[in-house]
Amino acid sequence: DVKVTQSSRYLVKRTGEKVFLECVQDMDHENMFWYRQDPGLGLRLIYFSYDVKMKEKGDIPEGYSVSREKKERFSLILESASTNQTSMYLCASNDRAGVSPYEQYFGPGTRLTVT
Amino acid sequence: QKEVEQNSGPLSVPEGAIASLNCTYSDRGSQSFFWYRQYSGKSPELIMFIYSNGDKEDGRFTAQLNKASQYVSLLIRDSQPSDSATYLCAVNVDYGQNFVFGPGTRLSVLP
Repeated sequence: DVKVTQSSRYLVKRTGEKVFLECVQDMDHENMFWYRQDPGLGLRLIYFSYDVKMKEKGDIPEGYSVSREKKERFSLILESASTNQTSMYLCASNDRAGVSPYEQYFGPGTRLTVT
Repeated sequence: QKEVEQNSGPLSVPEGAIASLNCTYSDRGSQSFFWYRQYSGKSPELIMFIYSNGDKEDGRFTAQLNKASQYVSLLIRDSQPSDSATYLCAVNVDYGQNFVFGPGTRLSVLP
């Protein structure tokens, strides 16, 4: 059974803190994605990675960075957390080929609150 | 900016009725289209995908695609209260490397 896990379900941080969100997938997928989800705005892509050490900016990369040192792990970093980064963060992965190419598998999400 | 639009709802239908969810997209080069269901507090899960113009049926669900009109829809027949969720339309862009999601339509099926 496919699995994407995220390090925390709920996280509360203070303004200015450096925040790490971890995502691990066990499906040997090439592609991994970080989204944030806010009411009325849907899922917005922050960054994605199509290979180890490779990354591409999504639609809203400002204030975020990412790291992919191993194929199964994709980390999202908030360099200096701000209150407008309070949101639900979703990690996803997919394969470039297969029975259902491009289908994304999502982790359970991390609800981050910055106070 | 590539966009995907959906009516935010809520769309309310009685149990047993057909629920019709609509989605339009701006990128004419898009090749594949996905419908995800998201229950409150949960992550999205794929229910259907479609690549070709026309209809694709899977149980109570039918996806319809019209590339000329840049329109994709999801029909849910015999709606059940357990279908109450937010439905996200997603479009594959950039030669499959990326996705754009719509804001989602909240569906409420009334017993």
